[in-house]
Amino acid sequence: QQQVKQSPQSLIVQKGGISIINCAYENTAFDYFPWYQQFPGKGPALLIAIRPDVSEKKEGRFTISFNKSAKQFSLHIMDSQPGDSATYFCHGGTSYGKLTFGQGTILTVHP
Amino acid sequence: GAVVSQHPSWVICKSGTSVKIECRSLDFQATTMFWYRQFPKQSLMLMATSNEGSKATYEQGVEKDKFLINHASLTLSTLTVTSAHPEDSSFYICSARVGVGTEAFFGQGTRLTVV
Repeated sequence: QQQVKQSPQSLIVQKGGISIINCAYENTAFDYFPWYQQFPGKGPALLIAIRPDVSEKKEGRFTISFNKSAKQFSLHIMDSQPGDSATYFCHGGTSYGKLTFGQGTILTVHP
Repeated sequence: GAVVSQHPSWVICKSGTSVKIECRSLDFQATTMFWYRQFPKQSLMLMATSNEGSKATYEQGVEKDKFLINHASLTLSTLTVTSAHPEDSSFYICSARVGVGTEAFFGQGTRLTVV
């Protein structure tokens, strides 16, 4: 059962533009929503995470927007840079259990 | 953040042999570790959840006898791919949580190639 659906599968953005990746989840028990960034041949690294008691969290150029009623959350990358080119995974889970990855979005930022 | 170290980073083995991958939490104790498998350009698929001192919990479709997981201490979990075959070639990644309600930290992954 796919509990976290991520879109788009791939995204191409010009340098300086805004990258937006969306995720939808099904399990209402989820209370932890991180985003991970993965470069080729490396393990995922935590980028930013949010809990459902807030609707938005910003860290530098990265912002998570969370819509609890719609069971959706999104990652916004402002002023996208070529170094942001990577695969991004959303993740849904509970504080105590396993985490379910989205399908991943391959982001390419053109200079 | 917390550091999870995975070893080896890559390994090539002959078909029919067994390969062991180690996952260590370097600066924290991890009661739970997770093992994932990733194919090129695809997402991470959870294989099993490893709990210190108890048997691992495998996801549906994952062969327990094929992928042996041992979590002997709070800082070490191992994945052994037994009687490896070319179809087992993949990128294997472990992760660990510092505690309940916290983020997961990932190892750097192990590229397994079975020839």
